[in-house]
Amino acid sequence: AQSVTQPDIHITVSEGASLELRCNYSYGATPYLFWYVQSPGQGLQLLLKYFSGDTLVQGIKGFEAEFKRSQSSFNLRKPSVHWSDAAEYFCAVVVYNQGGKLIFGQGTELSVKP
Amino acid sequence: GAGVSQSPSNKVTEKGKDVELRCDPISGHTALYWYRQSLGQGLEFLIYFQGNSAPDKSGLPSDRFSAERTGGSVSTLTIQRTQQEDSAVYLCASSLGILGVYNEQFFGPGTRLTVL
Repeated sequence: AQSVTQPDIHITVSEGASLELRCNYSYGATPYLFWYVQSPGQGLQLLLKYFSGDTLVQGIKGFEAEFKRSQSSFNLRKPSVHWSDAAEYFCAVVVYNQGGKLIFGQGTELSVKP
Repeated sequence: GAGVSQSPSNKVTEKGKDVELRCDPISGHTALYWYRQSLGQGLEFLIYFQGNSAPDKSGLPSDRFSAERTGGSVSTLTIQRTQQEDSAVYLCASSLGILGVYNEQFFGPGTRLTVL
């Protein structure tokens, strides 16, 4: 069955430091992958997506992610974190033989310290 | 509208009561999804609608949950005889379609349901 794993429940980084959030997926075919961000009391906002082509994808707010098929990973990165990046981040895979529903990871909560 | 809207934003109800949650998708989006976000279960799929096709109800947790989509637009999620374990944030999303790039899902702000 398809699944997404985010190994880190909570991460704390200093403002200005680099960030990498891990995501591993299990999917039989070429996956279509997403990263969403959720600020407190808000809905989900799409950061970036991977459908095909270049394995390094750029998103909004300075985020990028790299698809590595050999490692079944789609890690999210940012070179310099801002205090406003504190939020919860969700990785998701689309299940195309089931109407495009999303399977989400458990989420990683990011805290940013001054 | 500019985005997906949901109402109410918050709903407090007593155990055993029925509740209705509403979702207005982005105009022109043919696919509509309901998800539930709870502390114990994370984000989980409930149901989706695509055009005039029969909905996929495979994620509904019990027969107390139902949903409809009228006129291919607005959707209502109904929970009958609510239980405390139904307390969660219910998120709605819509997309142009269900395949490829058309499946980018845009989420509403959610309805926070509290069952006392």
